[in-house]
Amino acid sequence: ETGVTQSPTHLIKTRGQQVTLRCSSQSGHNTVSWYQQALGQGPQFIFQYYREEENGRGNFPPRFSGLQFPNYSSELNVNALELDDSALYLCASSSMGDSWRTQYFGPGTRLLVL
Amino acid sequence: RKEVEQDPGPFNVPEGATVAFNCTYSNSASQSFFWYRQDCRKEPKLLMSVYSSGNEDGRFTAQLNRASQYISLLIRDSKLSDSATYLCVVNAIRSDKLVFGAGTILRVKS
Repeated sequence: ETGVTQSPTHLIKTRGQQVTLRCSSQSGHNTVSWYQQALGQGPQFIFQYYREEENGRGNFPPRFSGLQFPNYSSELNVNALELDDSALYLCASSSMGDSWRTQYFGPGTRLLVL
Repeated sequence: RKEVEQDPGPFNVPEGATVAFNCTYSNSASQSFFWYRQDCRKEPKLLMSVYSSGNEDGRFTAQLNRASQYISLLIRDSKLSDSATYLCVVNAIRSDKLVFGAGTILRVKS
């Protein structure tokens, strides 16, 4: 096990609602990245947080936002949910001190938007 | 063109077979390379990092060809437990954005 935890494991929402997903990073890791994985696709990078600030963002609209807390845990918020937001949301933790920046994934949150 | 391209498969092989997966990437600035394994409805798990000189971990061998921007994974003596989706992953220098291929499905049958 990687030690990365996510909650909730599953979630059902309707279009237009807002959702908050949570992630606790592995002990010793100071960086959290979020990915969206649609069915049959590889994960797509949403953004990364380091030292409580966004440190890189993928091609996702502003309604995807996040936070990192002093204990390095993180939240992903999605506003105005759309049907296409249905996916597996993965968080990955890593350490800036690791030259390979190897990322270890949590079990994910499955979001279904109806 | 996708940044990382893989043959989606599925590759259906018998136990004990040797199977090879290929992957190409488009960003020549990519500096770190990985193979992740993903079981059905689970999270991706790091299988191995790929070093410039190639590397081996038990039954698994990874190769990198920077000139051709090509990465490969060879699995020898396939086991039933190797059945999974194999994701080719790259990231650029000093970037923590991992770029994933869509994955190659492997099914090992008895």
